[in-house]
Amino acid sequence: ETGVTQTPRHLVMGMTNKKSLKCEQHLGHNAMYWYKQSAKKPLELMFVYSLEERVENNSVPSRFSPECPNSSHLFLHLHTLQPEDSALYLCASSQDFGSGANVLTFGAGSRLTVL
Amino acid sequence: GQNIDQPTEMTATEGAIVQINCTYQTSGFNGLFWYQQHAGEAPTFLSYNVLDGLEEKGRFSSFLSRSKGYSYLLLKELQMKDSASYLCAVLDSNYQLIWGAGTKLIIKP
Repeated sequence: ETGVTQTPRHLVMGMTNKKSLKCEQHLGHNAMYWYKQSAKKPLELMFVYSLEERVENNSVPSRFSPECPNSSHLFLHLHTLQPEDSALYLCASSQDFGSGANVLTFGAGSRLTVL
Repeated sequence: GQNIDQPTEMTATEGAIVQINCTYQTSGFNGLFWYQQHAGEAPTFLSYNVLDGLEEKGRFSSFLSRSKGYSYLLLKELQMKDSASYLCAVLDSNYQLIWGAGTKLIIKP
């Protein structure tokens, strides 16, 4: 496989559930990102990993917990979410973090609905 | 604060030309990106401008004026498949990407 792959594509969960989103990239990129996309709002950066180290955490609630076990995989662990967390969660990767023409390659996203 | 403005929605006719504007106010500037996102799909990279002027890539062109904090994406010979959202994003002085809310482009026959 090539590009950035996200699973599951759709997820419905209750407020007390625990679930995980998975992202995988086979591009040899060194940086991986989690974004939240809500309707008619700008993309919100949640977490950035560069060379498997977390470099950005933009005041995200602790009910979202990222994990980057290696440079090709990124997880977002979810627990005790709120209905307002319902959104499209996009994973992206780039060759490096913190440089100029740093083009992001996105996955198709995981559509999360919290009941 | 940092801000990117772009129209929420635009409508154009197949075969025509459309210009999607983006204005920005950011802490520093290290380049401006345009991405295309079809409904239910991943955003895909269209262009990157860091110097003033027009960059042409087939039917799509992107323009930048750093002094005016302004960019536009020009789409020529519109096709139905160009119906999508177009996202403008600026890389600030800390290499943080600041995103606009996107412009939904509707193409009519």
